Amino acid sequence: LAKTTQPISMDSYEGQEVNITCSHNNIATNDYITWYQQFPSQGPRFIIQGYKTKVTNEVASLFIPADRKSSTLSLPRVSLSDTAVYYCLVGAYKLSFGAGTTVTVRA
Amino acid sequence: SAVISQKPSRDICQRGTSLTIQCQVDSQVTMMFWYRQQPGQSLTLIATANQGSEATYESGFVIDKFPISRPNLTFSTLTVSNMSPEDSSIYLCSVEVRQETQYFGPGTRLLVL
Repeated sequence: LAKTTQPISMDSYEGQEVNITCSHNNIATNDYITWYQQFPSQGPRFIIQGYKTKVTNEVASLFIPADRKSSTLSLPRVSLSDTAVYYCLVGAYKLSFGAGTTVTVRA
Repeated sequence: SAVISQKPSRDICQRGTSLTIQCQVDSQVTMMFWYRQQPGQSLTLIATANQGSEATYESGFVIDKFPISRPNLTFSTLTVSNMSPEDSSIYLCSVEVRQETQYFGPGTRLLVL
């Protein structure tokens, strides 16, 4: 399983864009990169997944450089309800959750 | 996507007893997973449960402590046996809907006294 490294915490204000970068230097050729969001007292929720370049959905964008050794989750115009823990996971059906990034959005 | 429910949502148990947690999915899925999330911590995979075969346990978790059943493609149970306060956690089940994407249940919050 590829190990991931992401910041422990990030602070932001409403309306700003939040970018969380995840490092995964030993990503395998077949591995996808997936991001999850977890609110307190809830299970993680799938946000976005990508293999290379850029992926965008109604919630976020995911940027993956050509070497795929890192990825950046971009949350546009965050609101207070985006305060959560964000996890970056790589590959395999057995998910290995790291510590995640606690994003705190302030008014 | 998949809709996943868990029962009970929470429970308070006495040490030495056992609790069985149920996980129900609204569609047939091959792979189901059980995780534990201790207070303030990240998720730790307990085991993978495939229908028709024995569950596969991760390092540090054993069948005697966490027996799992997977009788069909929409249901699984996890039993936490001979509980101690250290077993106080949130227990989550998840299913793999497509490659490398899992959907999680709401979790079962367990407190052992």
